[in-house]
Amino acid sequence: AQKVTQAQTEISVVEKEDVTLDCVYETRDTTYYLFWYKQPPSGELVFLIRRNSFDEQNEISGRYSWNFQKSTSSFNFTITASQVVDSAVYFCALSEAGGFKTIFGAGTRLFVKA
Amino acid sequence: DGGITQSPKYLFRKEGQNVTLSCEQNLNHDAMYWYRQDPGQGLRLIYYSHIVNDFQKGDIAEGYSVSREKKESFPLTVTSAQKNPTAFYLCASSKKVDSYEQYFGPGTRLTVT
Repeated sequence: AQKVTQAQTEISVVEKEDVTLDCVYETRDTTYYLFWYKQPPSGELVFLIRRNSFDEQNEISGRYSWNFQKSTSSFNFTITASQVVDSAVYFCALSEAGGFKTIFGAGTRLFVKA
Repeated sequence: DGGITQSPKYLFRKEGQNVTLSCEQNLNHDAMYWYRQDPGQGLRLIYYSHIVNDFQKGDIAEGYSVSREKKESFPLTVTSAQKNPTAFYLCASSKKVDSYEQYFGPGTRLTVT
C-alpha cells in the first residue's frame, strides 16, 4: 500500500535560515512518481516538482533543492535562505505508475518570520 | 490564460440542502479530481475522472456525487447525506491519471449551518 509521511507538522524559522522539509514514502512498486506542492495562505496548491523513481539525481531550482534517496525512501525538500513569502503548507505526494490516484502527505506548515 | 476555475470562492448553505460546486479547466486535461481538505489536514480524494463520461469513487465518496459530461467540466454535488460537509474543496486536473502532476483550482470554502 502507498503511504506518505511528513513527520514535521509545523516548522518555524527566521528569514534567511535554511530549512529542510522531510518526506518518507512507502510503495511496493518499482516505478513511481514523487511530487512536492506548495499551498500558500490563498489556498491553491502549486506544483513544485515531479521526480520519477529511476532518477535519483538531486535537483536545484533557485533557492529550492530536492534530495531523493531510494535507499531511505525519502524525498526531502530544502529551502535555502528562506523568505517570508515561503510561508505556506508544503505537501509531498506519491503516485504509482498505472495507479489512478495520488497519495498526499499530511503537509508541513512552514512559518518564516522576518 | 490556461487554468482551473472554481466557483464560488465561499459558499454558505443550510443543513439539509444539496449544493453544487463548479470546476472548469481549459488545459485540455483528461483527468480531473475533487479533494476535501479539513483544517490542519492533508487532502482526501472524493472522486476522480480519467475520461469524459467516466468517474470513480475516491476514499471519501459517501454523500457526494459528480458528473463528467464535458472534458472541461467536473461539478461536485454535496448532498444532504454528507454528515459533515463544512470543509475546503479543491478541484484539480492532470494530463492523464497516475504519473502526471496535478494543477489545482483556487478552492471553494463551504460552510453548512
